[in-house]
Formats: sequence, C-alpha cells, structure tokens
Amino acid sequence: EIVLTQSPGTLSLSPGERATLSCRASQSVSSSYLAWYQQKPGQAPRLLIYGASSRATGIPDRFSGSGSGTDFTLTISRLEPEDFAVYYCQQYGTFGPGTKVDIK
Amino acid sequence: QVQLVQSGAEVKKPGASVKVSCKASGYTFTSYYMHWVRQAPGQGLEWMGIINPSGGSTSYAQKFQGRVTMTRDTSTSTVYMELSSLRSEDTAVYYCARGHSNCLDYWGQGTLVTVSS
Repeated sequence: EIVLTQSPGTLSLSPGERATLSCRASQSVSSSYLAWYQQKPGQAPRLLIYGASSRATGIPDRFSGSGSGTDFTLTISRLEPEDFAVYYCQQYGTFGPGTKVDIK
Repeated sequence: QVQLVQSGAEVKKPGASVKVSCKASGYTFTSYYMHWVRQAPGQGLEWMGIINPSGGSTSYAQKFQGRVTMTRDTSTSTVYMELSSLRSEDTAVYYCARGHSNCLDYWGQGTLVTVSS
C-alpha cells in the first residue's frame, strides 16, 4: 500500500509570498495518478491539479504542480487571501495528511 | 453544470446502519465512476471505495470491507453508500465525488453522520 507524506504540516506565509508544498510517496507512482486538492473550512475539497501538473478547469495559473516518481510539488506563485486553506495530495485510493497554509 | 447533491445529516446509534445518497446531474451518469470519501472531525480525507454506475461493480478500501455497500440506481442517477455496524469512530462527513482522469473532479456537499448513543 502506498503511503503519501506531506510537508510541512503547516506553512505560515503572508499574502503575495510563494508557497511550496511537498508530497512524497512511499514508492514510485505514476504521475498520471497524482492530484492536488484545496479544502477550506466547512467546504468540500476542490480539485486543483491532476496528472501531477495539469490545472483543473477554472484554476488560476498561480497554481502549478510538478514532480515524478516519489516526489511531487504544488507551488502557489503569489498567495492571494483566498488561498489560505488545507491542501491534500492524492494517488488513487490514498490521500496525504494535508498541509495547512495559514496567514503569518 | 455538473452537480452532486447528497442527502441530509443523520444521527445514528452504535451498531446501526446508515445509507447516504448522492444524486448526479449535468452529465451522463453511467460514463463516470463515483467515489466515496469521508472526513472525521478535524481530520484528513479517507477514501472508502468506488462504484461504476454503468455496471454496478465496486471496489472497497480494505478498512471498510464487509461493512460498506455501494449501489446505484441508473433510473434516478443516484448512488448510495451504506455503512453498517456503526461505531463512534464513524462520525464524519461523507462525500461522494466523481472520478475523472484518475482524480476526483466534482464533489458533493457532504453529509454529516453522527454516531452517538
């Protein structure tokens, strides 16, 4: 069973700063199965990135995904106020524990 | 537009069962798999299983094998998730989510299931 580890657990940044979130798999996974989601309090998760690097419909281009094998990254180039949330990576039936991006 | 509308909140006693529905609209129901994901209070996301609305085949996470049943009704474009032998640890928000390109592209609004004596 694949285990996904996300780091850091919490990222404290200011609006306008760059956020770099990591997702590491316990074994190599196909990039086509790696997705990222954003979740705000009281809301359902929202798909951001699929296939490791493809933005979902309507997702701003400040969000980008990269990586392969066991190491994947979600980058938010310049944080907007609405980007402060929890981010999860997913590989088929496994989710990572999440990274909370909060306001510094 | 794609919409997944789930049934309302439930309160159940330990040992009981709960059945949550998810009605799909805005797309061809039988063309996309449906996943179920749950989230305990303050916790992360946990994948429960998947159903193919076309043929009804299912695959469940090992943790839920024997306790979960996913079904569908193509006449109403609705999928169901039934969880039995409920315990307090099953208190969570349960989501249905459409599967597409190896990801979950649309999510229901969630259904809170509370298990309490």
